[in-house]
Amino acid sequence: GAGVSQTPSNKVTEKGKYVELRCDPISGHTALYWYRQSLGQGPEFLIYFQGTGAADDSGLPNDRFFAVRPEGSVSTLKIQRTERGDSAVYLCASSLKVTDTQYFGPGTRLTVL
Amino acid sequence: DQQVKQNSPSLSVQEGRISILNCDYTNSMFDYFLWYKKYPAEGPTFLISISSIKDKNEDGRFTVFLNKSAKHLSLHIVPSQPGDSAVYFCAAKGGGSQGNLIFGKGTKLSVKP
Repeated sequence: GAGVSQTPSNKVTEKGKYVELRCDPISGHTALYWYRQSLGQGPEFLIYFQGTGAADDSGLPNDRFFAVRPEGSVSTLKIQRTERGDSAVYLCASSLKVTDTQYFGPGTRLTVL
Repeated sequence: DQQVKQNSPSLSVQEGRISILNCDYTNSMFDYFLWYKKYPAEGPTFLISISSIKDKNEDGRFTVFLNKSAKHLSLHIVPSQPGDSAVYFCAAKGGGSQGNLIFGKGTKLSVKP
């Protein structure tokens, strides 16, 4: 079956701009996670959703970052006033339940010039 | 401070031999550990996991060992194959938050024919 998909695969933007990154989880998965991976590092947790609600957003670095999952399926990560330090690969994962194995998408590479 | 540490950035092994990847953790509340494999330009792929109530889990060529007293786990791949060449991430969960995974920085495995 279809895995986790993320769009776009690459995004180049200028400092100060707003960006949206989209994640389509595996069908039927109730939990959805966002991670960020910088060069030479492992994925770093940002936020996860159980259904439509954000169950844990403790990893969001500041209030420029926001994520939604209005219908409990697709999620959008929104970054306002982008900074060069936001450049990274943004990974999305989903799991059937929060206690189950997380399956990752291919990621969106964000470059802020 | 890193809670999950992979102290070897890289490892080179001959095809057919055993690959041993190591991981140390500091949080004694972690109760579940996972290994993910990542190829370039792809998202992490789940490989194998182990609960803290076990000390070994085996799946084909892959075995994970957990030493709770030493807060150490290792992934054994035998026999190693060139297709195993990838970056391997150790991850842990638990300690109050069931949703997020805490990742190490990864070890790049190269299996030479």
